[in-house]
Amino acid sequence: EVKLVESGGGLVKPGGSLTLSCEASGFSFEDSVMHWVRQGPGKGLEWVSGISWSRPSTGYADSVKGRFTISRDNAKNSLYLHMNSLTPEDTAFYHCVRDGRGWYGDPFFLDWGQGTLVTVSS
Amino acid sequence: QSVLTQPPSVSAAPGQRITISCSGRSSSIGANYVSWYQHVPGKVPKLLIYDDDKRPSEIPDRFSGSKSGTSATLGITGLQNGDEADYYCATWDSSLRIGVFGGGTKLTVL
Repeated sequence: EVKLVESGGGLVKPGGSLTLSCEASGFSFEDSVMHWVRQGPGKGLEWVSGISWSRPSTGYADSVKGRFTISRDNAKNSLYLHMNSLTPEDTAFYHCVRDGRGWYGDPFFLDWGQGTLVTVSS
Repeated sequence: QSVLTQPPSVSAAPGQRITISCSGRSSSIGANYVSWYQHVPGKVPKLLIYDDDKRPSEIPDRFSGSKSGTSATLGITGLQNGDEADYYCATWDSSLRIGVFGGGTKLTVL
């Protein structure tokens, strides 16, 4: 059974930082492309960032580029999202998502974690 | 504003058929596969369609996908109360090198 368990969310002040983690199991993590997708309150789904499985290629939505960094540790079956300079617009549930595609680019979002809530407020 | 355009809402009675459109551009839908997701509030989004028209094995054939040019369509036949949800299209934008979602369509089963 595929499991994606996010952690690290919480309340942070504007301008603050937070690191999200996602522990994966039930599939070959090192062979999988991974993404972060978020949903803000009353908003739709938004792709945030993606990372390839090796010699990592990464990509970011314009809304987070330069502030967020995606990374992975294949030895720990873990995905991370380092978030800096947070603003209230970053308030959302952040989902760790496994790509059903075997290469980076042209994804489909096959398996989703339950999400971790990030609230940016003073 | 989403890169992919969907109607905000659609409604129909049980048993009827609906379609949801998703409009993009040449570098997004025109160049890459489209996928569709069902999101019931409080639950995790579920993959319905991938590669424009393929269904995961657990998705009933009441759900279908198609694509033509820079537009894609999700079809649902035999509507059920349990189909009430938000539906999202998604694809890759080859020019921007990013994933993109539509703004979502709320389906109401009357």
